[in-house]
Amino acid sequence: AQSVTQLGSHVSVSEGALVLLRCNYSSSVPPYLFWYVQYPNQGLQLLLKYTTGATLVKGINGFEAEFKKSETSFHLTKPSAHMSDAAEYFCAVSAHAGGTSYGKLTFGQGTILTVHP
Amino acid sequence: ETGVTQSPTHLIKTRGQQVTLRCSSQSGHNTVSWYQQALGQGPQFIFQYYREEENGRGNFPPRFSGLQFPNYSSELNVNALELDDSALYLCASSAMWRTGATGELFFGEGSRLTVL
Repeated sequence: AQSVTQLGSHVSVSEGALVLLRCNYSSSVPPYLFWYVQYPNQGLQLLLKYTTGATLVKGINGFEAEFKKSETSFHLTKPSAHMSDAAEYFCAVSAHAGGTSYGKLTFGQGTILTVHP
Repeated sequence: ETGVTQSPTHLIKTRGQQVTLRCSSQSGHNTVSWYQQALGQGPQFIFQYYREEENGRGNFPPRFSGLQFPNYSSELNVNALELDDSALYLCASSAMWRTGATGELFFGEGSRLTVL
């Protein structure tokens, strides 16, 4: 069984400030981890993913995340927030076997990011 | 490359009615998954279709059913609608069970269902 906990349903930052969105996961097998972004009235867009290899992964729009197995965390960061980053962010986990994902994602509850001018 | 498209984008039904939502998967993808996203919640996995058969199901009752067609498009059917079925229904396609597939899902814009 897998689960995802996103700490903080709402995060507010000033434009230019560091963005940190927290995600902790639980998985009985080595996980694949994802961050998705959702803008109002739209579907989900993949920001970045961790499968294997380098634990620091870079995504689109300047976001990155670090997989820390010992802490079961996959926090999302961006050095400098932009107004266009305001959206809802979802962390997700999936199981895989032999390098092939089962493709069933378990999502966290989401974190709404607000960026103030 | 054509993305995932869903129809209709919005619809309103009354309790007890039935609804069919449609999804065209992204070119080259062979698997379709459906998710329910209630207001203020993360998406919840309903089921996944691969090779026209259900390949895994979340905690949803049998009145939620689906189909996948030879061209990999899909339908989600919900019978006997309840008020709690009001949600955004997201379809996602992926290239599963292929060497190197990492489970990345490509989502459509969703179908927003309101049950009155």
